[in-house]
Amino acid sequence: DAGVTQSPTHLIKTRGQQVTLRCSPKSGHDTVSWYQQALGQGPQFIFQYYEEEERQRGNFPDRFSGHQFPNYSSELNVNALLLGDSALYLCASSSYRSEAFFGQGTRLTVV
Amino acid sequence: SQELEQSPQSLIVQEGKNLTINCTSSKTLYGLYWYKQKYGEGLIFLMMLQKGGEEKSHEKITAKLDEKKQQSSLHITASQPSHAGIYLCGVEVTYKYIFGTGTRLKVLA
Repeated sequence: DAGVTQSPTHLIKTRGQQVTLRCSPKSGHDTVSWYQQALGQGPQFIFQYYEEEERQRGNFPDRFSGHQFPNYSSELNVNALLLGDSALYLCASSSYRSEAFFGQGTRLTVV
Repeated sequence: SQELEQSPQSLIVQEGKNLTINCTSSKTLYGLYWYKQKYGEGLIFLMMLQKGGEEKSHEKITAKLDEKKQQSSLHITASQPSHAGIYLCGVEVTYKYIFGTGTRLKVLA
């Protein structure tokens, strides 16, 4: 079982650019959540996708958007990047009543 | 909204020593998760506590939930360098996890 896989592992972007991060959930999981973790902080919930719909959203601006595909994989898109968007982005997958399994994360650096 | 406060924020111990990390909630705890994170990497699930008084162990790590105190503790016995990392407590609230800020553990060989 490959677990939750995220790509890319590292990314450097310039302010104002757009970025797409990808996540493949653990086999058998149908729910994908995205978190942002700034240095020295706990992960902050961005949004969750279930049945290809955004089910819940945290306190993040509309520049953060996502998508879930029929195979349950997901993308996180961030537009108009700011320096403050530099963080570790974590994807978590789960199914009904299961704990969340996290990927290794994508380290995004905005310069 | 619910908040989780962890203490201590960081901890340095000598290999072989015991240690305890606490997680205190601003609201009633109906369940709690403990995760471990290697620096800059993903979270690894340790255990889930579902009811007050519940205690679970995984290898040398024991966690307990005290719902009256709105608190959970994680205890490591005879710490090893492999225990080093960031320990995060979390609760599930309406589809999302809320995490504490983490406790950074360093174990000196």
